[in-house]
Amino acid sequence: EAAVTQSPRNKVAVTGGKVTLSCNQTNNHNNMYWYRQDTGHGLRLIHYSYGAGSTEKGDIPDGYKASRPSQENFSLILELATPSQTSVYFCASGPLGVSAETLYFGSGTRLTVL
Amino acid sequence: GDSVTQTEGQVTVSESKSLIINCTYSTTSIAYPNLFWYVRYPGEGLQLLLKVITAGQKGSSRGFEATYNKETTSFHLQKASVQESDSAVYYCALGDPGTGGYKVVFGSGTRLLVSP
Repeated sequence: EAAVTQSPRNKVAVTGGKVTLSCNQTNNHNNMYWYRQDTGHGLRLIHYSYGAGSTEKGDIPDGYKASRPSQENFSLILELATPSQTSVYFCASGPLGVSAETLYFGSGTRLTVL
Repeated sequence: GDSVTQTEGQVTVSESKSLIINCTYSTTSIAYPNLFWYVRYPGEGLQLLLKVITAGQKGSSRGFEATYNKETTSFHLQKASVQESDSAVYYCALGDPGTGGYKVVFGSGTRLLVSP
């Protein structure tokens, strides 16, 4: 069974603080993704990665950094958190390939920035 | 750019009644995007419900169906008889198998409430 685990499940941060969201996958997938979900919006892609050491900007990368130190782990970093980054964040992994790709999602991290 | 539109934020249906959730897509760069429906049950992450990668074909899973219509750029989700356990948020998505790797664009989601 494919597994993507996010931590923490919930996080409260202060404006200007640093926040790190972690994601671990045991699927041995090359691709990993970070999305955020806000009411009225679809999941919006922040950063993604094709493998260890690679990170790519998604559609809304401003204010976020990503790190992929290994095949299994992909982190999302908010160096200076702002209230506009209050959201639910989803990590996903997907196999290498160009067709019929299925993403496997974690359960989400609810971040509140005060 | 690429986008997916779900016009209904929430749909309420009585148990055993039929369901349709609308989805249209727009793409300027992908000739034949892959189309997906994902579902998110309370407290869980999104999971794939069904996918179709060829225009004109139908995908089905757990009693749900969706047909890839390239002419109308639509991928509506249907079910003949819903159950209370179908209550969840449904997301339509398109996949870009083009250059630079694989990206998936999601719609805003439609919350389905099935009343007993």
